[in-house]
Amino acid sequence: AQSVSQHNHHVILSEAASLELGCNYSYGGTVNLFWYVQYPGQHLQLLLKYFSGDPLVKGIKGFEAEFIKSKFSFNLRKPSVQWSDTAEYFCAVNGGNNRKLIWGLGTSLAVNP
Amino acid sequence: DVKVTQSSRYLVKRTGEKVFLECVQDMDHENMFWYRQDPGLGLRLIYFSYDVKMKEKGDIPEGYSVSREKKERFSLILESASTNQTSMYLCASSFWTRTNRVQFFGPGTRLTVL
Repeated sequence: AQSVSQHNHHVILSEAASLELGCNYSYGGTVNLFWYVQYPGQHLQLLLKYFSGDPLVKGIKGFEAEFIKSKFSFNLRKPSVQWSDTAEYFCAVNGGNNRKLIWGLGTSLAVNP
Repeated sequence: DVKVTQSSRYLVKRTGEKVFLECVQDMDHENMFWYRQDPGLGLRLIYFSYDVKMKEKGDIPEGYSVSREKKERFSLILESASTNQTSMYLCASSFWTRTNRVQFFGPGTRLTVL
């Protein structure tokens, strides 16, 4: 069965610190990979996605993620976080002909000004 | 822009009541989904639908049912609300193509069952 593991449940950073949130999945076939973000009081929205091609994908607000097939990983990065990045971040995977997304449990990020 | 709307942002119901949550999308998406979101548990899929009148159970369908009579509308029904169904309910919709499976979410309905 497909599964997604997010390594960090809670992360606290100071502004300008670098961010890396881990995401590993279990699925042997072709995958579509997603990072979603939920800002306080707002709805879930897509941060970035990977379907094929360049394994380094760039998303909104300076975020990027790298798909490493050999490690079954899709880690999210940002070189310098801002207070406004305080949010919950979810990794999700869709494999094969499955219409569902498989979700990680989320990582709560708090950025101190 | 894709728009997914949910009928209520906040709802308070009593135990045993029948509860209807409505979701409408305006992008002609084939797929629609109902999730519940609880702290520490992430998003859990309740039901999804891939076409009108078609539905499939998700991971936690017990105590819920759904209805999709029109492509743009997907309803979640709590047959007899219980306190353990107090939660945030999220609706989402998506296309079904190889390169476009992004799910778009509504703002959520925070349901409290007393």
